[in-house]
Amino acid sequence: NAGVTQTPKFRVLKTGQSMTLLCAQDMNHEYMYWYRQDPGMGLRLIHYSVGEGTTAKGEVPDGYNVSRLKKQNFLLGLESAAPSQTSVYFCASSLTGDTYGYTFGSGTRLTVV
Amino acid sequence: GQNIDQPTEMTATEGAIVQINCTYQTSGFNGLFWYQQHAGEAPTFLSYNVLDGLEEKGRFSSFLSRSKGYSYLLLKELQMKDSASYLCAVRDRSGRGSTLGRLYFGRGTQLTVWP
Repeated sequence: NAGVTQTPKFRVLKTGQSMTLLCAQDMNHEYMYWYRQDPGMGLRLIHYSVGEGTTAKGEVPDGYNVSRLKKQNFLLGLESAAPSQTSVYFCASSLTGDTYGYTFGSGTRLTVV
Repeated sequence: GQNIDQPTEMTATEGAIVQINCTYQTSGFNGLFWYQQHAGEAPTFLSYNVLDGLEEKGRFSSFLSRSKGYSYLLLKELQMKDSASYLCAVRDRSGRGSTLGRLYFGRGTQLTVWP
């Protein structure tokens, strides 16, 4: 059971480049989330999804887009990367009412130069 | 939104006991979680409380008082490997259905265990 898998694990982008982060889960979870984590800021929610074909904005959605075409996959896109998007990105998934909350992916460390 | 507060940093020595506090304000409480996060790694689940009282799991215990909006994580017999960030998170049942599963995180408490 793989749980939540994120790809890639590391990436360096130049300002203005685009990229897509992939999150895949094999637990049949309805809810999926994308967070960014910066020093001193904790985990901040970018976008989330409550099911296939649905997405919603979180606390810091600007500069990011998402898609959930299949239940098991949640994609995070950066159309034109900026240095302010340098961060560690975590994907998570859950079922409503879970007693363990989220299952997290291992993270993607993104640097925009 | 929710307001979740926890200390930024704590230090302790090996073998000691440490208590990490978390206070929260929420309109529809539906569970409190503690996660451990080592540097460079993802958060991992430690404990879950939804009713008042103490939940014990080996060296780790978590306490909840819903009326006070308060929880603590108690770590006993500290080991060097317990040096990590500890995240308090609250699940809120209020709002629309799309937010029912969402957790709201505190900024984390960085615990350093000294030999």
